[in-house]
Amino acid sequence: RKEVEQDPGPFNVPEGATVAFNCTYSNSASQSFFWYRQDCRKEPKLLMSVYSSGNEDGRFTAQLNRASQYISLLIRDSKLSDSATYLCVVNGFGGKLIFGQGTTLQVKP
Amino acid sequence: GAGVSQSPSNKVTEKGKDVELRCDPISGHTALYWYRQSLGQGLEFLIYFQGNSAPDKSGLPSDRFSAERTGGSVSTLTIQRTQQEDSAVYLCASRGLTPLHFGNGTRLTVT
Repeated sequence: RKEVEQDPGPFNVPEGATVAFNCTYSNSASQSFFWYRQDCRKEPKLLMSVYSSGNEDGRFTAQLNRASQYISLLIRDSKLSDSATYLCVVNGFGGKLIFGQGTTLQVKP
Repeated sequence: GAGVSQSPSNKVTEKGKDVELRCDPISGHTALYWYRQSLGQGLEFLIYFQGNSAPDKSGLPSDRFSAERTGGSVSTLTIQRTQQEDSAVYLCASRGLTPLHFGNGTRLTVT
């Protein structure tokens, strides 16, 4: 089993839609969780950290479910500019940061 | 500079040659990571340096790969006897108290 797993998608949604991605992790001792965004042929960039109580940044909401060992990202009112690959990141065994394979989102007009 | 700097940005090499990829992390960042990303794939963890601790080399795919970090700053990833399957973008990232910051990567092509 991979340490961090994501549904690769692609998720194709119309503008204005709400879309959610999940990411599961295998290390129950993980303490750090992040969502990164990667545009085509660019380096990943931090979208938001994920806190235990859940957190929101504008149209983006991140949640952590420790019991089921997954994190989620919800995007409301999708924009064309949200089209990208979304990578979840979890600290794995030994503290290293492990990336999921990414979920591709395509927002259509 | 303000960000993570990697060089070269592109490298084309012949199969069997050795290559060295360089990473200059953000000043003061104690953690440094190397990842590899093949076309259309996710980021594959290679190696992780944290301060003066022994590096976590668990992601290196073979003994042809090695990395060092001198003086807790600059890091070099070396691939010996390159193979075509080594072709990928090699990304370096550093971290202090903040989450990871990535360099622009080195695109390696082995012909």
